[in-house]
Amino acid sequence: AQSVAQPEDQVNVAEGNPLTVKCTYSVSGNPYLFWYVQYPNRGLQFLLKYITGDNLVKGSYGFEAEFNKSQTSFHLKKPSALVSDSALYFCAVREPISGNTPLVFGKGTRLSVIA
Amino acid sequence: GAVVSQHPSRVICKSGTSVKIECRSLDFQATTMFWYRQFPKQSLMLMATSNEGSKATYEQGVEKDKFLINHASLTLSTLTVTSAHPEDSSFYICSAHNGGSSYNEQFFGPGTRLTVL
Repeated sequence: AQSVAQPEDQVNVAEGNPLTVKCTYSVSGNPYLFWYVQYPNRGLQFLLKYITGDNLVKGSYGFEAEFNKSQTSFHLKKPSALVSDSALYFCAVREPISGNTPLVFGKGTRLSVIA
Repeated sequence: GAVVSQHPSRVICKSGTSVKIECRSLDFQATTMFWYRQFPKQSLMLMATSNEGSKATYEQGVEKDKFLINHASLTLSTLTVTSAHPEDSSFYICSAHNGGSSYNEQFFGPGTRLTVL
């Protein structure tokens, strides 16, 4: 069965500093990996995905993530954090069996960017 | 980009009543929609997979008679919480998949916050 681990409940970073939100996954075969962001009382907003190709994926709002197959990781990164980046971040995985397989989410990591 | 709407965004009801939540794909046809629930400070848990024109597939532990799902058209799926109780209070989020390609990501609705008194 597929699973996602986000080892940190909370990440604090100063504005302007680089940020990393960690994610590791477990899935049989090649994974489809996603990052979503959720603001209070809102639905999920898609940030980026890895399907195939270049291991470094660039997404919305300056975020990027690196797929590392040997470490089964897909950490989310941003070179310079903004206060407005403060939100709840979810990593998700899906097996590419078909287009109709659901996403499996990590428990989420709350990012707090301090001015 | 693809837009998914949910209605209502927030609902408060008395214990024992039923509540219907609608999930619509506004600019694409969704053969499959997913229903998730999210408890405070927790992750999204898949409740069921809804396929247009067929019965929903429920995850283990989710009562199909309590959470009725109807996917009547390619743009609309509804979740009805029957005989709601306070423990059903949660944030319900739907997502829609816009086609047969496994490369396509799912698009999420803004969520519905249900409070059962």
